[in-house]
Amino acid sequence: QVQLQESGPGLVKPSQTLSLTCTVSGGSISSGSYYWSWIRQPAGKGLEWIGRIYTSGSTEYNPSLKSRVTISVDTSKNQFSLKLSSVAAADTAVYFCAGPHSGAFDIWGQGTMVTVSS
Amino acid sequence: EIVMTQSPATLSVSPGERATLSCRASQSVSSNLAWYQQKPGQAPRLLIYGASTRATGIPARFSGSGYGTEFTLTISSLQSEDLAVYYCQQYNNWPPWTFGQGTKVEIK
Repeated sequence: QVQLQESGPGLVKPSQTLSLTCTVSGGSISSGSYYWSWIRQPAGKGLEWIGRIYTSGSTEYNPSLKSRVTISVDTSKNQFSLKLSSVAAADTAVYFCAGPHSGAFDIWGQGTMVTVSS
Repeated sequence: EIVMTQSPATLSVSPGERATLSCRASQSVSSNLAWYQQKPGQAPRLLIYGASTRATGIPARFSGSGYGTEFTLTISSLQSEDLAVYYCQQYNNWPPWTFGQGTKVEIK
């Protein structure tokens, strides 16, 4: 059974770049034809899909964040990563990774809290 | 972007009673609709995909129905452990995939 674990700094300064990694265990990130996604959730609010990377390496992003988001994959480490640039307080949220999926998100990481503050 | 609207915002149901949650899409999403359950401090858990197919290990008291723009999640006999926020999500049109704002189920 695939398991996901997010990691990265819990505190990021405004205008800097948020960087998170999702480590995949129990399966290979490069096997099959699937997507791997990032989703976030501000405290007390709903879920926002950030973007996804396909097994081939192609990516799609939420248009509302597209100019600031980069998702990449490192198959040698069985990880995929999120970079969000020029962060502000509105980017404070719990960040989840999810996958492998084709449509619905059936496996999620536990989530990691990221606070944007000076 | 497809907007998903859930109702009601909060639902109070007595144990053993039926809970009915609604989700409406701003345009047709066919049957590409999922439901998730999120308990405090936890990641969402997939309950239903394809509008009506239960995910692995999901109890039979959870059922989904609908097509196009109108969808329903039904909990046939509410249990105390069903206290949670429930989200619908469309994966028919992207980017972006979008979620509803959630329905909080309270135990009366």
